[in-house]
Amino acid sequence: EDQVTQSPEALRLQEGESSSLNCSYTVSGLRGLFWYRQDPGKGPEFLFTLYSAGEEKEKERLKATLTKKESFLHITAPKPEDSATYLCAVQAGNTDKLIFGTGTRLQVFP
Amino acid sequence: GAVVSQHPSRVICKSGTSVKIECRSLDFQATTMFWYRQFPKQSLMLMATSNEGSKATYEQGVEKDKFLINHASLTLSTLTVTSAHPEDSSFYICSARDWQGGSVLHFGNGTRLTVT
Repeated sequence: EDQVTQSPEALRLQEGESSSLNCSYTVSGLRGLFWYRQDPGKGPEFLFTLYSAGEEKEKERLKATLTKKESFLHITAPKPEDSATYLCAVQAGNTDKLIFGTGTRLQVFP
Repeated sequence: GAVVSQHPSRVICKSGTSVKIECRSLDFQATTMFWYRQFPKQSLMLMATSNEGSKATYEQGVEKDKFLINHASLTLSTLTVTSAHPEDSSFYICSARDWQGGSVLHFGNGTRLTVT
């Protein structure tokens, strides 16, 4: 069964304290791995798509990496405005739908 | 970038009534839209896949007669929660895939449904 597990469930960081969020997955034929940011009461906002192991993508303070079993979202020198829930999702090769993890709630304190 | 508009953002209704939620792709055409449900501090659970001009495909355990989906045009899908009950209270989010924009799945801002 296709599955996505995110850790930690919650993360508190001091402003400027870099860290990484983990997304482990088991899927039959990965078609794509997606990272989204979700603010309270809002829909998810697209961040990155990764398609194959070894791929990396960056956007401002965020960098996403992918291996055959997991993905990391690295946050460098975070700011309070980076506080949100970060969701990871996978798309299997035989379907058009995404399977989401439960997310990591990130809080960055000044 | 691609925008998905969802309306209303919040709705409160009485038990037994029906509620319609609209999802529009504003600057792209979406042959497929997806409806998700999210409980507090939980992940998004796919309810159904909405296909333009044909019947929706429902996930296991989702009652198709309870959650009516209509996808009448390439930019509009609607979800109607029929005979709503308090246990239907949740955050409903729609999404649409922008195939020309790298096949990214874009989400609306969700609808908070409260059934009293």
